[in-house]
Amino acid sequence: DSGVTQTPKHLITATGQRVTLRCSPRSGDLSVYWYQQSLDQGLQFLIQYYNGEERAKGNILERFSAQQFPDLHSELNLSSLELGDSALYFCASSVEGRSYNEQFFGPGTRLTVL
Amino acid sequence: DQQVKQNSPSLSVQEGRISILNCDYTNSMFDYFLWYKKYPAEGPTFLISISSIKDKNEDGRFTVFLNKSAKHLSLHIVPSQPGDSAVYFCAASGGLYNFNKFYFGSGTKLNVKP
Repeated sequence: DSGVTQTPKHLITATGQRVTLRCSPRSGDLSVYWYQQSLDQGLQFLIQYYNGEERAKGNILERFSAQQFPDLHSELNLSSLELGDSALYFCASSVEGRSYNEQFFGPGTRLTVL
Repeated sequence: DQQVKQNSPSLSVQEGRISILNCDYTNSMFDYFLWYKKYPAEGPTFLISISSIKDKNEDGRFTVFLNKSAKHLSLHIVPSQPGDSAVYFCAASGGLYNFNKFYFGSGTKLNVKP
């Protein structure tokens, strides 16, 4: 158990819908990362937050947005969903968000878009 | 544009032998490299890392080698154990424009046969 929690574990929805994925970092960690893992592919870095502020941005689609709240939990919002958005979405947290800080990953949310 | 590549989707080795997993990268600005291990239905867990000022880092049965001129890194597991069977991802970070972004390979599935 990494100490990072993600809800829900599974999510099935239809094209065009909007969903919200939630992540609670490990106690004491200030930085949160979001990753997408599509079928048979590696993890794609989406976005990073540190203490409520966006720190780095990867190949995150405009239909996706995220935020980190004052209690440090984070949400990833996916809208106008397409079939290709079906993937595993991982959240990770680290102490300070520097490259050298170890990231601890949650178990992931499996999103299926029908 | 995949900046980190793992060209072997799978690898099978006998228990007690050496496992060698390979990874290539294209961006010479990367200065920090990591290996993660992932079991089914779990998030990735950090295994070992190396910064670009070193060419080798060892942690127990795991050793990572970095060849900067070839833009290549490898993970050696000696001796391999059945519990090492998992998907291994290499990742890279660093550089002036990529400080907080992480780039992952597509993974190599290691099967250690008893």
